[in-house]
Amino acid sequence: DTEVTQTPKHLVMGMTNKKSLKCEQHMGHRAMYWYKQKAKKPPELMFVYSYEKLSINESVPSRFSPECPNSSLLNLHLHALQPEDSALYLCASSQLQDYTEAFFGQGTRLTVV
Amino acid sequence: DAKTTQPPSMDCAEGRAANLPCNHSTISGNEYVYWYRQIHSQGPQYIIHGLKNNETNEMASLIITEDRKSSTLILPHATLRDTAVYYCIVRAPMLYNQGGKLIFGQGTELSVKP
Repeated sequence: DTEVTQTPKHLVMGMTNKKSLKCEQHMGHRAMYWYKQKAKKPPELMFVYSYEKLSINESVPSRFSPECPNSSLLNLHLHALQPEDSALYLCASSQLQDYTEAFFGQGTRLTVV
Repeated sequence: DAKTTQPPSMDCAEGRAANLPCNHSTISGNEYVYWYRQIHSQGPQYIIHGLKNNETNEMASLIITEDRKSSTLILPHATLRDTAVYYCIVRAPMLYNQGGKLIFGQGTELSVKP
C-alpha cells in the first residue's frame, strides 16, 4: 500500500467555522508533511512532523493547527480562516532517511466563504 | 536548499522524447536532485532522483552534468498522460529527526501534443 489518503476531498467553510483535514498512511513512514498550494503556484511547505512530533513550522499562522495523534494519522485543524486561505492542502509522508521519496495524497480543496 | 531554475513551459510531440532542463548552479556536494510531477488537480508524484551519476527507472532518465550545476529529465516516449507540471528540486540531507524539506520551485509546464 503506497497510498496517502486525504479526507475530505472538498470542503467549504465559513470564516467562523472550525473544521479539520485528515491524512492517513500505512507505509510505516515516520515523517509527515502538510503543504498548501494556491492555483497556478507550486506547493508551499507548512509543517513537518517526525516521530509524531512537530519538527518544522514554516511560520504558519496560528489559525492552522496541526496534530499527529499517531504514526499513521495527521490532522490539520482550521479555525477562523480567511478567504485567502482557500487552496489545495496536500499531505505527504516519507521515511526518516535521506534520499528517499515522499508520497503525496490527492489533496483537500478548501474554499473559505 | 539550492535554488533551481526551469523554463516555465515546453511542448513535446506525442511519441517523441521530452527533455526537461534544470539549472542548480549553487548545489552543494551532498544535495540530491529530485524530480516530481503534478498532473492537474492531483498530488505531486515522485519520478526520480540522483546525486551525480545518471539514473534511469521505468518512468524516466536523469542526466546530471559532471559539475552538477544542471540536470535534464528525459521522458523517452512522451504520451498525452505525461502532460503535467514538472518540478526539479534540490534537497539537502535531513537534519537529525527533522524530516526532509522538499521545497518546490516554479516548475515547467509540459504539454504533450498529438
